[in-house]
This record gives sequence, structure tokens and C-alpha cells, in this order.
Amino acid sequence: NAGVTQTPKFRVLKTGQSMTLLCAQDMNHEYMYWYRQDPGMGLRLIHYSVGEGTTAKGEVPDGYNVSRLKKQNFLLGLESAAPSQTSVYFCASLGTYTGELFFGEGSRLTVL
Amino acid sequence: QQPVQSPQAVILREGEDAVINCSSSKALYSVHWYRQKHGEAPVFLMILLKGGEQKGHDKISASFNEKKQQSSLYLTASQLSYSGTYFCGTEKNSGAGSYQLTFGKGTKLSVIP
Repeated sequence: NAGVTQTPKFRVLKTGQSMTLLCAQDMNHEYMYWYRQDPGMGLRLIHYSVGEGTTAKGEVPDGYNVSRLKKQNFLLGLESAAPSQTSVYFCASLGTYTGELFFGEGSRLTVL
Repeated sequence: QQPVQSPQAVILREGEDAVINCSSSKALYSVHWYRQKHGEAPVFLMILLKGGEQKGHDKISASFNEKKQQSSLYLTASQLSYSGTYFCGTEKNSGAGSYQLTFGKGTKLSVIP
């Protein structure tokens, strides 16, 4: 049982480049989330999804887009990366009955 | 708006107790607590729903005061394994659970021998 899997785990981009982070969960959870974590800032919600085909903005959505075409996958895209988007990105899915967030291992993104 | 955690950091000797506080300016539906060790993902500790309940998890327990919009995490007889950063996550009271968690900036707990 893999839980929540994020790919890639590390990526270096140049300013203006684009990329997509993939999150996959095998627990049949409806709700999925993308957070970014910066030193001293805690976890900040970027976008989330309450089910296949739905997405919603979180606290810091600017510069990011998301898609949930399949229930098990939640993609986070950066169309034109900026140095301010250098961060560790965590994907999470919400346990159906427990309310527990299951986190992936994180993806460390550096934008030069 | 992020909940406010205090203290920002605390150092304990093994066996000592600690309290971490979390407060919000908005009415809350639930409060979640997570612990994150360096370089790892956050791990769920417990969730408290509105109703003022208190929960326990081994020697780690928590309370939730709905009226004051505050929660506290209690760590008793601390162990080296308790070291890490503790985050509270709050869910606004918008009828049924909104399932949108907003996390505080974290409290770094260091337990030394």
C-alpha cells in the first residue's frame, strides 16, 4: 500500500520554465490538497479538490494551476516558474472517516 | 488566516512536560495536530471536533475550547522521540466541515537528554 506518492522528489528550474508535479493516492480518497512549506511559514494551502473534476483555490493560489481528471491523481502546474516559488511542496489526501491528512514525502523545487 | 501558535520554540529535558497553544480569530469546526521531523512529511497526531472535547494519544493529549477558539497540545514526560515541529491545523466553522485546513507556523520542540 503506497499511500500518497509524489513525483518528482527534486527539481531545479530556471525562471520562466514550466513544470508539473504529480500526486497519486491509492486509498480512494475524495479530498486532495497541495501545500507549500517555506522556513518559518508553516504549511500554506495552494489548491485543493473535493472530488474528481473539481478544484478550488486555497490561501496562496497565484502562479499555480491544478487538475483532477482522475480521482487518484492531483496535478500541480507552474506555467512560468519564479524564484519565489522555490519551496517544498506537499500533497495530501483526506481520510474518509478519520479526518486524517495523509501526506506524500514532499517535492523540493528550486527556481533559479 | 493562519492560526497563531505559541511558543515558537521550546527546549525540554527528557521527562519534562510542555504545552503548545493554538488560537484562531475565526469560529472553528475542528482542530488538527501534526508532528513533523526534519526532512520528513507531517504525521497526524489527533483531531478535535467542536464540542470542547479532550483527546489523548499515549502521553500526548489535547483540548479544544470552542468558545475561545483555542486548542492546546499537552506533552507529558517527554521523550527524545517527541522532538520535531508541531503544527496545528484549523478548519473554519462553516456548517458541515469545510475540509479546508489552515496550518499555523509551527512550534519547534527539542528534547535533550
